[in-house]
Amino acid sequence: KQEVTQIPAALSVPEGENLVLNCSFTDSAIYNLQWFRQDPGKGLTSLLLIQSSQREQTSGRLNASLDKSSGRSTLYIAASQPGDSATYLCAVREMKTSYDKVIFGPGTSLSVIP
Amino acid sequence: DVKVTQSSRYLVKRTGEKVFLECVQDMDHENMFWYRQDPGLGLRLIYFSYDVKMKEKGDIPEGYSVSREKKERFSLILESASTNQTSMYLCATRDGRARRAGVLFFGEGSRLTVL
Repeated sequence: KQEVTQIPAALSVPEGENLVLNCSFTDSAIYNLQWFRQDPGKGLTSLLLIQSSQREQTSGRLNASLDKSSGRSTLYIAASQPGDSATYLCAVREMKTSYDKVIFGPGTSLSVIP
Repeated sequence: DVKVTQSSRYLVKRTGEKVFLECVQDMDHENMFWYRQDPGLGLRLIYFSYDVKMKEKGDIPEGYSVSREKKERFSLILESASTNQTSMYLCATRDGRARRAGVLFFGEGSRLTVL
């Protein structure tokens, strides 16, 4: 059974720091991995999607990498800002289930201190 | 820009009431999904639909039903609301032409409280 974990559960950094959020999954048979951010009481906003054949994707200050063989993805945020404070979730799209299955991690709560 | 609209952001209902949660998208996406999100349990798939008139059960369909009469609209129905259905409900869509590869887009969520 696919399990997705995210470490750390919470992270607090001063403004301007570069930081890395981690996502691990137990089964490498995935179509893709997607990173989201969620602000309190709101829905999920898609940040980056990496296909299983890709190694990384970049968007602005964000860079996501994927190592399928080791079951890991990282989200790198450069020059963090207070507006980056949110919960970040990763999600994998499984191959093995007969129906549409996306498994979400529990999230990392990020606080960027001015 | 992608737009997924959940008509009710906050609802308070009583036990036994029938509840409708509406989701409308303007991206002409075939695939639509309903999730619920609870602390400690994360996001769980309730129902999904690959096209108009189609519906499929997810991981936790009990106590829920859905309706997809038009491509842009996917409704979640709680026939008789119970307190354990108090939750954040999230609608999502995806381009059906990229079922294995496509990005999931979410709405703003509907926070339902059942008293």
